[in-house]
Amino acid sequence: EADIYQTPRYLVIGTGKKITLECSQTMGHDKMYWYQQDPGMELHLIHYSYGVNSTEKGDLSSESTVSRIRTEHFPLTLESARPSHTSQYLCASSESVGSNYGYTFGSGTRLTVV
Amino acid sequence: SQQGEEDPQALSIQEGENATMNCSYKTSINNLQWYRQNSGRGLVHLILIRSNEREKHSGRLRVTLDTSKKSSSLLITASRAADTASYFCATVVRGRYSTLTFGKGTMLLVSP
Repeated sequence: EADIYQTPRYLVIGTGKKITLECSQTMGHDKMYWYQQDPGMELHLIHYSYGVNSTEKGDLSSESTVSRIRTEHFPLTLESARPSHTSQYLCASSESVGSNYGYTFGSGTRLTVV
Repeated sequence: SQQGEEDPQALSIQEGENATMNCSYKTSINNLQWYRQNSGRGLVHLILIRSNEREKHSGRLRVTLDTSKKSSSLLITASRAADTASYFCATVVRGRYSTLTFGKGTMLLVSP
């Protein structure tokens, strides 16, 4: 049973629109992450956060931005969507202490920009 | 460049057979993890093996780690049609912030 929720599940939007992808978790995890995945491809880390008011960019450059005002909430925003942003966006969280824990993933948001 | 590389890219077997997937990585790691992804969905954590461990079991899953060769393998025994999915290895690089770097995945198809 997933304790991390992403909405919307699917989104089709026009070029130039501002969008926010929602991600919330109920596990009290301090660490949260956003990954981008094209169909049949590997996941690329685009943002992560180690706690409230802490955000960092990941390995893959992204025009998106994130915020972490509450522990349980880690939304991702695109100010002006473009067709190149079409992809699947996966949110995840993990335990606070150390690195020997697996990630819990949400079901993802599949974004299509037309 | 990507830290992990899975092999093979795709694997097709019959129910009841064993499936073996391999993963190679490039730098020293804290741990290596395996995940499953059903089509178009999020990933599910399967198993984690620490850098000082050589083998780990969980149900029908067996993972090995060879740090001298920088490689790992995932064995699924007595496979079922429900095991059809993509399988990814992911590493936490030693000395870096503890984020996961994923490989390209192996797509497993188990036919009834």
